[in-house]
Amino acid sequence: TQLLEQSPQFLSIQEGENLTVYCNSSSVFSSLQWYRQEPGEGPVLLVTVVTGGEVKKLKRLTFQFGDARKDSSLHITAAQPGDTGLYLCAGGGDSSYKLIFGSGTRLLVRP
Amino acid sequence: KAGVTQTPRYLIKTRGQQVTLSCSPISGHRSVSWYQQTPGQGLQFLFEYFSETQRNKGNFPGRFSGRQFSNSRSEMNVSTLELGDSALYLCASSLDGQGSNQPQHFGDGTRLSIL
Repeated sequence: TQLLEQSPQFLSIQEGENLTVYCNSSSVFSSLQWYRQEPGEGPVLLVTVVTGGEVKKLKRLTFQFGDARKDSSLHITAAQPGDTGLYLCAGGGDSSYKLIFGSGTRLLVRP
Repeated sequence: KAGVTQTPRYLIKTRGQQVTLSCSPISGHRSVSWYQQTPGQGLQFLFEYFSETQRNKGNFPGRFSGRQFSNSRSEMNVSTLELGDSALYLCASSLDGQGSNQPQHFGDGTRLSIL
């Protein structure tokens, strides 16, 4: 059974601080997606990484896929209150038509 | 372009009843997936449909079922409701499915509460 573990589960930081969220598995995934979910809404895709070692940047967010395609990280620089939300990583397999979601990291950025 | 639409947004049922939830995918999307989200278990995959066929199923009891119509709209049904079925049910659509790493576009969910 493929599992994705996210850490930390909760993070409360001051505006302007940096943070990193981790997504780890013992299984290999063909791709890793990161989503952000706000209260009362569905998750919204932030990025997809597919190549081991790949790094993608989205403004102040930096995503990295591990060389072995078993782990990923999300780094936020100079966090803002608008970054508050639930961050979810999700792994996809080559042939199974389902996404495995991590347990999520709930981020609160205080002004 | 309209997003994924789920109806109803909120639903209150009692134990033993059954419920049907509806999902209209983004126009042109042929894959529809359903997920259950709870505080304790997070987002769990229920099933995925493509061209009216169920291609994959998660580890949920047979009380959970779904179907997809020729216009790609999908419904899921839960029979003999239990208290533990209280959750946010999310639908996601994509062009041709998760196996191809397509981005999933989620609706805002149906909040189901069982009394």
